[in-house]
Amino acid sequence: SQTIHQWPATLVQPVGSPLSLECTVEGTSNPNLYWYRQAAGRGLQLLFYSIGIGQISSEVPQNLSASRPQDRQFILSSKKLLLSDSGFYLCACLRGGLTDTQYFGPGTRLTVL
Amino acid sequence: GNSVTQMEGPVTLSEEAFLTINCTYTATGYPSLFWYVQYPGEGLQLLLKATKADDKGSNKGFEATYRKETTSFHLEKGSVQVSDSAVYFCALSEMGRGAQKLVFGQGTRLTINP
Repeated sequence: SQTIHQWPATLVQPVGSPLSLECTVEGTSNPNLYWYRQAAGRGLQLLFYSIGIGQISSEVPQNLSASRPQDRQFILSSKKLLLSDSGFYLCACLRGGLTDTQYFGPGTRLTVL
Repeated sequence: GNSVTQMEGPVTLSEEAFLTINCTYTATGYPSLFWYVQYPGEGLQLLLKATKADDKGSNKGFEATYRKETTSFHLEKGSVQVSDSAVYFCALSEMGRGAQKLVFGQGTRLTINP
């Protein structure tokens, strides 16, 4: 079965600083990968998803971007963080093949001050 | 578009009580339905799923039945434990631009008191 790693686990950044969050997947190839954000006390918002290397779909226009430089690596970035970027960021994976179940990583807690 | 509506939380119960968390959905076609659970400070874990009408998903004493006629997927457990305290999310799958996507409800926070 697949394992999803997210790095770092927690992050405190000042407003205006850059951001790079990393997600890596083991145990599967050619997965679909997803970035979600969970604001405090709220549900999950899909930010980006990717069906392959270099292929990114954006769900919500905002201050963030995503990249997929390798098959099992998905990166979330920002050039200048805003206070509203604070939240819990979750990476998810959908294995290749006939399945419709997404599996989630442990998350990164981002606080922008 | 497709949507999922969950009962408002928080929900507080005593240990060994019966649990129901309501979930209804709006969708074109017949999507797969999911319940995910999130323990404090952690990511989401798949709790159970159902892929077609009248399917019953079950895991760890939790059950949910895919009801097409009422467009519902209510989560139930006969006797809850303190360790069941978590946030529960109902979700459905839909196809986006070449990829499956999940549409989540807003989550229901459950607290079980000893």
